[in-house]
Amino acid sequence: GENVEQHPSTLSVQEGDSAVIKCTYSDSASNYFPWYKQELGKRPQLIIDIRSNVGEKKDQRIAVTLNKTAKHFSLHITETQPEDSAVYFCAPGDSWGKLQFGAGTQVVVTP
Amino acid sequence: DADVTQTPRNRITKTGKRIMLECSQTKGHDRMYWYRQDPGLGLRLIYYSFDVKDINKGEISDGYSVSRQAQAKFSLSLESAIPNQTALYFCATAKQGNYGYTFGSGTRLTVV
Repeated sequence: GENVEQHPSTLSVQEGDSAVIKCTYSDSASNYFPWYKQELGKRPQLIIDIRSNVGEKKDQRIAVTLNKTAKHFSLHITETQPEDSAVYFCAPGDSWGKLQFGAGTQVVVTP
Repeated sequence: DADVTQTPRNRITKTGKRIMLECSQTKGHDRMYWYRQDPGLGLRLIYYSFDVKDINKGEISDGYSVSRQAQAKFSLSLESAIPNQTALYFCATAKQGNYGYTFGSGTRLTVV
């Protein structure tokens, strides 16, 4: 089955700085690469995703980059704000729509 | 607003009891999933269903069963609950061809 690893497991950044989380996966059949954000006590919510035929996608302060050859994709958050504090999950998926979640990265943005 | 609803929100049950967690959705999605979340382990897939007559095991299906009563309803049962099934359980839905999941608000289950 798919092996998914996220790094780092925790990330502390100063407000205004950038944050980068990397996700590596093992299944070469993966063709969908989303990132989910889970605030404390809330449900995970999709924040950005990318398909395997695209290398990069940006939505305001967040972006996802994909290196399919190396089997990794990354979440980039620029100009971090306190409301970006949450747990972020990568979840590469296959053509059946099944997602395999990473263990999560706790991001703390300090003022 | 169209949404995914899970009941109950919290439940404490005793070892050996049978318990059912329910999920209903008004999004019109055909695909439904059950995940459990444990600290440090992310979310792990228990069962999934692509339509009413389709049920598939996920990576951790032992000790669980499911029922897809209608397109909008997908229930998860623990036949004989044990303490290591204490976790946060999420239902999720997706539309065929669009892999983005919509999660329910979760059920926190404690088995004592």
